[in-house]
Amino acid sequence: QGQLVQSGAEVKKPGASVKVSCEASGYTFTGYYMHWVRRAPGQGLEWMGWINPNSGDTNYAQKFQVRVTMTRDTSVSTVYMELSSLRSDDTAVYYCASKKSGSGRGLDYWGQGTLVTVSS
Amino acid sequence: QLVLTQPPSVSGAPGQRVTISCTGSSSNIGAGYDVHWYQQLPGTAPKLLIYGNNNRPSGVPDRFSGSKSGTSASLAITGLQAEDEADYYCQAYDNYLSGSWVFGGGTKLTVL
Repeated sequence: QGQLVQSGAEVKKPGASVKVSCEASGYTFTGYYMHWVRRAPGQGLEWMGWINPNSGDTNYAQKFQVRVTMTRDTSVSTVYMELSSLRSDDTAVYYCASKKSGSGRGLDYWGQGTLVTVSS
Repeated sequence: QLVLTQPPSVSGAPGQRVTISCTGSSSNIGAGYDVHWYQQLPGTAPKLLIYGNNNRPSGVPDRFSGSKSGTSASLAITGLQAEDEADYYCQAYDNYLSGSWVFGGGTKLTVL
């Protein structure tokens, strides 16, 4: 059974950057696309983008195109999501979630979430 | 402006049946892309509930079912139980603006 473990909560000032990690286990790391989804307080789920851990290819939601960078380190089965130029409305719980490459399934495995608070 | 539209809330008594709609457009559901549904219990990460319009991952009770027609999809829950109280989200691929995944706004289910 797959498991995703994310890094701990972060508090950042406006204008700073944050980097959240997501370590995968229990499945073939390079066989699943990794997505990032966030949920701001009082809001719904918002898709941010995905990374293909096998190739490193990425696809970002237009809203985050200029501010987000997703990378991976296959040696430790970990993906990273970095969001720059943080604003107060970036305060949210950030989730990584994986989907088997080429399958018709949705996001099977989810991390526990990382709370990012942006405050001066 | 959300690409997939869901009712903000629905409610039902224990044992009843409720449905949650998800309305899209010709660039997502209407284009033939699969719809997936997620359940998010308070304080927890979302969980895949229905995939590929009407398939349940192992472990999901058959009280949950999904359907799709045209530019819309629906999630039905029968035999409502107190533990079903959660937020529910539909999700699909959208081929507008270089393609992306999109979520509905979410529906809060209250068990009366």
